[in-house]
Amino acid sequence: EPEVTQTPSHQVTQMGQEVILRCVPISNHLYFYWYRQILGQKVEFLVSFYNNEISEKSEIFDDQFSVERPDGSNFTLKIRSTKLEDSAMYFCASSRDSTEETQYFGPGTRLLVL
Amino acid sequence: RKEVEQDPGPFNVPEGATVAFNCTYSNSASQSFFWYRQDCRKEPKLLMSVYSSGNEDGRFTAQLNRASQYISLLIRDSKLSDSATYLCVVTDSGNTPLVFGKGTRLSVIA
Repeated sequence: EPEVTQTPSHQVTQMGQEVILRCVPISNHLYFYWYRQILGQKVEFLVSFYNNEISEKSEIFDDQFSVERPDGSNFTLKIRSTKLEDSAMYFCASSRDSTEETQYFGPGTRLLVL
Repeated sequence: RKEVEQDPGPFNVPEGATVAFNCTYSNSASQSFFWYRQDCRKEPKLLMSVYSSGNEDGRFTAQLNRASQYISLLIRDSKLSDSATYLCVVTDSGNTPLVFGKGTRLSVIA
């Protein structure tokens, strides 16, 4: 069964450093998403991406964040200058097309900012 | 602001028990409704979609009341493997952001 994959599974970084989280969505999916979950809190939407551009973003997704689809398979989330409060689990998700409601989640990257 | 509210639990139930989860949502324009399951430190996984007519999948039954903006999930004959956090999720339509509740934690005890 096809699945969303994410790398790395864990990332530890120093405050102020840049991190890039990588995702490989399911191959025939057209819509891509990033969500985050701070420990003990709910899953929160960050950004959605379709047709090589951002389709929607939340207030969390400020200028420190960017997304990119550098090739036909990868979808990345970059945090330019990490803050302590960026520590969270980051989930990538994808969905097939405009008729498909189900978003399939990757296993997540646990980011710890020290 | 779009909100989804759930009883945080935890619900501790013996094997074989029936357990019910409730959820309310604030955005009356919401069109699609789901229950996801999340195991500790894992990703959310779709358990079932929720339809206005109600739907059942084995031991799981989901109900939607649009007038009250209320969603429920019933688990019958609970198993140890049902122990997880159950997330109520709504969205405006396909491909729009999912709005998650904080989840209700379930522990099924032998």
